[in-house]
Formats: sequence, structure tokens, C-alpha cells
Amino acid sequence: QKEVEQDPGPLSVPEGAIVSLNCTYSNSAFQYFMWYRQYSRKGPELLMYTYSSGNKEDGRFTAQVDKSSKYISLFIRDSQPSDSATYLCAMKRGGGNKLTFGTGTQLKVEL
Amino acid sequence: DGGITQSPKYLFRKEGQNVTLSCEQNLNHDAMYWYRQDPGQGLRLIYYSQIVNDFQKGDIAEGYSVSREKKESFPLTVTSAQKNPTAFYLCASILADIQYFGAGTRLSVL
Repeated sequence: QKEVEQDPGPLSVPEGAIVSLNCTYSNSAFQYFMWYRQYSRKGPELLMYTYSSGNKEDGRFTAQVDKSSKYISLFIRDSQPSDSATYLCAMKRGGGNKLTFGTGTQLKVEL
Repeated sequence: DGGITQSPKYLFRKEGQNVTLSCEQNLNHDAMYWYRQDPGQGLRLIYYSQIVNDFQKGDIAEGYSVSREKKESFPLTVTSAQKNPTAFYLCASILADIQYFGAGTRLSVL
């Protein structure tokens, strides 16, 4: 069983929809949680970074962490075609820099 | 223009050949990482370096080698011992828990 599980999709939504992307994890030592966006043939770029449980909002993006359920989510409001990309969740323990990544969810926002 | 530069963008390897992927950063970051990305498997850690002249094996180091002689540079060599090298290779540098990625090198076998 993988430490981090993420549905690979593809997920196709109409423009303007609210998108929900999710990851589950099994290691209770994870304390820091991130979402990266990766456009085709490019490197990932950090979207959201959260510590422990709770919500964090940045523009159209909201990251949610529920440590009791070992479940994290990324919500995208008013989705745009430019949001079409692969979204990777990542998480790490308290010390060091090593991240454990999910496999990524491919999102397509259609006009 | 600060960032991480990976070269080449595309690379082809012949049977039995070693190839080297370049990663250069001008962000003055101490830590640098190499990942391999395959469809359906996410990013897997090959090697990482926390400081110049020091590096550690990641989860899939077999068939790869690295050096870290300068802070700015962390080249990855894919040796002939790596039997399945076709993948997208990503280099990252780290500052304050945040990993900054290069644009990647796509390696294929001829």
C-alpha cells in the first residue's frame, strides 16, 4: 500500500465549476502538506502549503487538511481552462526536506 | 533571472551508454534533489544533497550517480546499469521547506 493515495483521473469539468481534488495518506507522522501544479512537460510549481489541520485560502484556491481522517483536499473555485494541469499532493514529516508525493490528478477544464 | 535550469530538455541514450543530466541553480539554495517521474507513479527520489560535497541515496538510486562539487550544480549521471531509464527527470532546490523545480529533462532510449 502506498503512503499517499491520489486518484489519477482524468477529471473533466466545465469552465466555472468548483473542483475538488483529494489525497489520503497512511503515515500519521506527516505534518506539512503541499499542493503542486504541473503543466504538461513542465516542472511542478507550488500552489499551497499548509501545516497540520485546518483550511488555507489563496484567491480561488483553498487547501484543507483533516489529520484525524488522514485526508487532504484542494478546492478550485470558478475553474478556468488555464487550470488544466496535473495536481500533485505532497507531504512531509517534521524534520528534513524529504517529500512524499501522490501520483497526481490530471484536470481538464473545458470551455 | 533566478531559477533552476535543467539541460538538455530532451536526451536520447544508446544501449550501454552513460548520460549526464545537468541541473544548475542561482537561488543560493543549499539543498538540491533529483526525482524521476513515470506515468502513474508520481515523483520518486533518486539522490539528494543537503550541502556541497555531500549527497545521499534516495529511494531509487540504483543505476544513477551524482556529484556536488559546487553549490550551484548537481549533475545526475544515468549509467548503463539503469535498465529502464526512460522517464522525465526533475531537479529541485529547497529553501525553507519549499521545493523549487526545474523544467525537467525527458530521457528516452534509442
